[in-house]
Amino acid sequence: DAGVTQSPTHLIKTRGQQVTLRCSPKSGHDTVSWYQQALGQGPQFIFQYYEEEERQRGNFPDRFSGHQFPNYSSELNVNALLLGDSALYLCASSPLGGRAFFGQGTRLTVV
Amino acid sequence: GIQVEQSPPDLILQEGANSTLRCNFSDSVNNLQWFHQNPWGQLINLFYIPSGTKQNGRLSATTVATERYSLLYISSSQTTDSGVYFCAVRRFMNNNAGNMLTFGGGTRLMVKP
Repeated sequence: DAGVTQSPTHLIKTRGQQVTLRCSPKSGHDTVSWYQQALGQGPQFIFQYYEEEERQRGNFPDRFSGHQFPNYSSELNVNALLLGDSALYLCASSPLGGRAFFGQGTRLTVV
Repeated sequence: GIQVEQSPPDLILQEGANSTLRCNFSDSVNNLQWFHQNPWGQLINLFYIPSGTKQNGRLSATTVATERYSLLYISSSQTTDSGVYFCAVRRFMNNNAGNMLTFGGGTRLMVKP
């Protein structure tokens, strides 16, 4: 049984570009959440998807958007990248209201 | 929103020593999880413990939900225990409103041989 998988593992982008990160949830999980972790800090909640809809959103600008597919996998899109968007992006899956499991993360560097 | 504070922020131990990490939270929660983040960034599940006490090998955790704190105990520490330990809490609002995790700032543990 595969756990939560994220791709790519590392990514380098230029300011102003757009990026798409992908997440496949653990088998049996229908809820996917995305978190941003800056260096030396705890993860910060971006948004959560359930039944292909955004259910809850943290304090992030509209440049951050997402999608959930019928197979429960998810994408995180960030437009007009800023240097401050450089971070580790973590995807978590769970049954709704249940224990969350995290992927290995995507390390994004914006130059 | 809910506030989560972890202490101590940094901890250095000699191999074999015991330690206690604390997590305080500012409001009622339905769920609480402890994670260990390894040097590669992976968040490893340690405990899912909204209340009560659980043990897993050298690690154990206790959550007293009525007093809004949780403790993680590490006994006979090993160098492989090094890393950052995070406490995260969740308040389940209703079936469709989402249930985000709010993380504390973490405890950075270094175990020396």
